[in-house]
Parts: sequence; structure tokens; C-alpha cells
Amino acid sequence: QVQLQESGPGLVKPSQTLSLTCTVSGGSISSSDYYWNWIRQPPGKGLEWIGYIYYSGSTNSNPSLESRVTISIDTSKNQFSLKLSSVTAADTAVYYCAREGAVPAVPLDYWGQGTLVTVSS
Amino acid sequence: DIQMTQSPSSLYASVGDRVSISCRASQNISGYLNWYQQTPGKAPKLLIYSASTLQSGVPSRFSGSGSGTDFILTISSLQPEDFATYYCQQSYNTPYSFGQGTKLQIK
Repeated sequence: QVQLQESGPGLVKPSQTLSLTCTVSGGSISSSDYYWNWIRQPPGKGLEWIGYIYYSGSTNSNPSLESRVTISIDTSKNQFSLKLSSVTAADTAVYYCAREGAVPAVPLDYWGQGTLVTVSS
Repeated sequence: DIQMTQSPSSLYASVGDRVSISCRASQNISGYLNWYQQTPGKAPKLLIYSASTLQSGVPSRFSGSGSGTDFILTISSLQPEDFATYYCQQSYNTPYSFGQGTKLQIK
């Protein structure tokens, strides 16, 4: 059974960089069958797709965040990471990592439990 | 970018009721439409993908239909555990986008 677990600071100061890691267990992040995604949800609001990374390192990000987003992968640790720079209060949200099937195409079928990141001084 | 619009935003129903939730895309997304269920404090759970394919382990009272721009999620006989928020999502192209959610509440 695949499991994903987000980790990182729960509090980030404005203008700083938010950094989160997603650790995958029960499956290999090096598989060509999956994309590894980040999604966020502000408190009481809906879901916003941030971006994904493929095992090869290729990425695709939401243009609304693209200039501030960096997604990376560490196959040796079976982890992928998110960095979001120049954060403001609007970036306060629960951040989820999730797996998406590439072959065959299956959308976000496994999710982490989510981690709340608050942007505040 | 593709905009996804769900209706209604909230819905009151009783156990045993049949309910339907609509999702409309701002452009043709073929069948690349997925439905998720989210309960408070939990991650979304995939229910249906490719408009009508039931994810493994999801009860058969859930069904999906539609293509192009208009889609429907139907729950044939509501169970207590079905009271949750439901989101549609298009995976036709990036940036992936979600509907604003439909909160299903007990009448």
C-alpha cells in the first residue's frame, strides 16, 4: 500500500521560502508510471493544483505560482519536495502531496494527510 | 486555463436519498473529469475518474456521467458516511483545476 507523508515547518515568516518534503513509502518514486503532485487548500476554501514532477526531474507548475515554485525529486530517499518563495499570508494553506498515474492515466489516487503551513510574522 | 463550476454549492439531503451534483467545464475536456470526496480534516479521496470509472474500493452507489463540458456525480442512496464535500477536477490539461466544491449536508 502506497503511503505519502508531508513534512516541514508549520510556520513561515512573510517574504521567506516555504519548504516541504513528501516521503513516499510502499512504492518507488523512480517508477516511470507516476507523476508526483503538490496541491494546496487554504483554510475553509477549495483545492488548488501547484504542480508535479516526474521521476526524470521534469516538472509542470501552475502558471499562477510558477515564478515562485520549485519542485525537486530525490530518488535515493524516495522523496520529492516543494519550495515556494516570497510567501505571503495568502499562501497559508494545508499542503498535500499526491500521486498521479501516468501509465495508465489515473488522477490523484493516493494523497498524504496534508500539513498546515501558516505564513505569519 | 479551464474553469470548473459546480452546482449546487451546498445540498441538504437525507439518508436514503438519491442526489446529483453537476460540474461544468469552461471548455471541452472530453472525458477527463474526476470526482473527489473530502471529509473535515482529511485529504480528498478519489471516487470516480475519466468521468465514469469507479475507483477501486468505492461503493457502487456512486456513479458518474457526462462528457465534453457537462458532468454529473450521482449517489443513488445516501449513507451517513457520504455527508462530505465533493470536488470535480479536470485532468484534460495543465494547470489542473478543481470546482469550488459541493457540501452535502444532512437535512
